Amino acid sequence: AQSVTQLGSHVSVSEGALVLLRCNYSSSVPPYLFWYVQYPNQGLQLLLKYTSAATLVKGINGFEAEFKKSETSFHLTKPSAHMRDAAEYFCAVTKNSGGYQKVTFGTGTKLQVIP
Amino acid sequence: DADVTQTPRNRITKTGKRIMLECSQTKGHDRMYWYRQDPGLGLRLIYYSFDVKDINKGEISDGYSVSRQAQAKFSLSLESAIPNQTALYFCATSDGGTPRDEQFFGPGTRLTVL
Repeated sequence: AQSVTQLGSHVSVSEGALVLLRCNYSSSVPPYLFWYVQYPNQGLQLLLKYTSAATLVKGINGFEAEFKKSETSFHLTKPSAHMRDAAEYFCAVTKNSGGYQKVTFGTGTKLQVIP
Repeated sequence: DADVTQTPRNRITKTGKRIMLECSQTKGHDRMYWYRQDPGLGLRLIYYSFDVKDINKGEISDGYSVSRQAQAKFSLSLESAIPNQTALYFCATSDGGTPRDEQFFGPGTRLTVL
């Protein structure tokens, strides 16, 4: 079975401060890991994904995540938060299940950016 | 224009009513999905479809049914809505079915069942 745990349902940072959103996974096979972002009143969109090519993955809008197998983690970071980063962020792990892509989402972390 | 659209965007209905949520996509993807999102629970899969002739139940399909009218259209129905089906519903598509494939989401339908 696969699972994802996101620590902290709400995170607040000041504008310009470091953003760190935590994600730990459990998977019986080498994982494929994703971060999606959901802006208010919108659907989810892909920020970045890990597919075993490189442990440090760079995504859109200045976000990046590092895959650490020893810690079973895939934390999302951004050096300097911007007001437009206020959104909900979902970590997800995927695997092949009977020919379809089974996605297990975390419970989400809402990021608040304080001016 | 958006690649994945959903109608309606908001709907309020009463217990026992039949409701249909519609999803259309212009991405040309064969695979389509319906999820529901509840606060604190993330997204959970209701149904998925590989193509027009292949529809499969997800982890929480009870109380729901779907129809794949064409490659581009995938509808979700609640035959007799109940209050605990109040949620945000998302349609998604993907080009492939491998674990590395990204899913593309519609803007969501907020459904309230009174």
